[in-house]
Amino acid sequence: QKEVEQDPGPLSVPEGAIVSLNCTYSNSAFQYFMWYRQYSRKGPELLMYTYSSGNKEDGRFTAQVDKSSKYISLFIRDSQPSDSATYLCAMSETSGSARQLTFGSGTQLTVLP
Amino acid sequence: KAGVTQTPRYLIKTRGQQVTLSCSPISGHRSVSWYQQTPGQGLQFLFEYFSETQRNKGNFPGRFSGRQFSNSRSEMNVSTLELGDSALYLCASSLLGGATGELFFGEGSRLTVL
Repeated sequence: QKEVEQDPGPLSVPEGAIVSLNCTYSNSAFQYFMWYRQYSRKGPELLMYTYSSGNKEDGRFTAQVDKSSKYISLFIRDSQPSDSATYLCAMSETSGSARQLTFGSGTQLTVLP
Repeated sequence: KAGVTQTPRYLIKTRGQQVTLSCSPISGHRSVSWYQQTPGQGLQFLFEYFSETQRNKGNFPGRFSGRQFSNSRSEMNVSTLELGDSALYLCASSLLGGATGELFFGEGSRLTVL
């Protein structure tokens, strides 16, 4: 069993829909949680970064972490065709650039105009 | 501000050969990490370098190695290539001490082993 499980999709939604992306994990030592977006033929780019449990909002994006359930979510409001990409959750046990990120397998999202 | 630059972008090798991939981090970034991305395993951590020292290493065989130069540029090498080494190899740089330690990824080097 992988440390981080993520539904690979693909997920297809109409423009304007609310999108919910989720990951579960088994390592209780994970403290830092991130969501990356990866467009085709590009490297991943950081969308959201949260520490421990709680919510964080940035524009149309909201990240939620529930450490008691070992479950994290990313919500995208008013989804746009430009949001079409693969979304990767990532986690680490320590902060700083020396940390080793453990990634989910990614969810492929398509937002239809 | 230039991003992370990886070369070559695409390459084809045959089994048994060796390959060297190069990464130039964002100016001022002293930490460089390498990840392997495949459809089956996703993104997996290879190793991380800071000031020419390997600080962390993932669970990969010794055929995978790397180094970092004094100008923070990094190279990774894979010897005795196997078919399963076909993947997108991603380099990421980070500014040590940043609030989030955000990793900035390059566009990757896509390796095909025949």
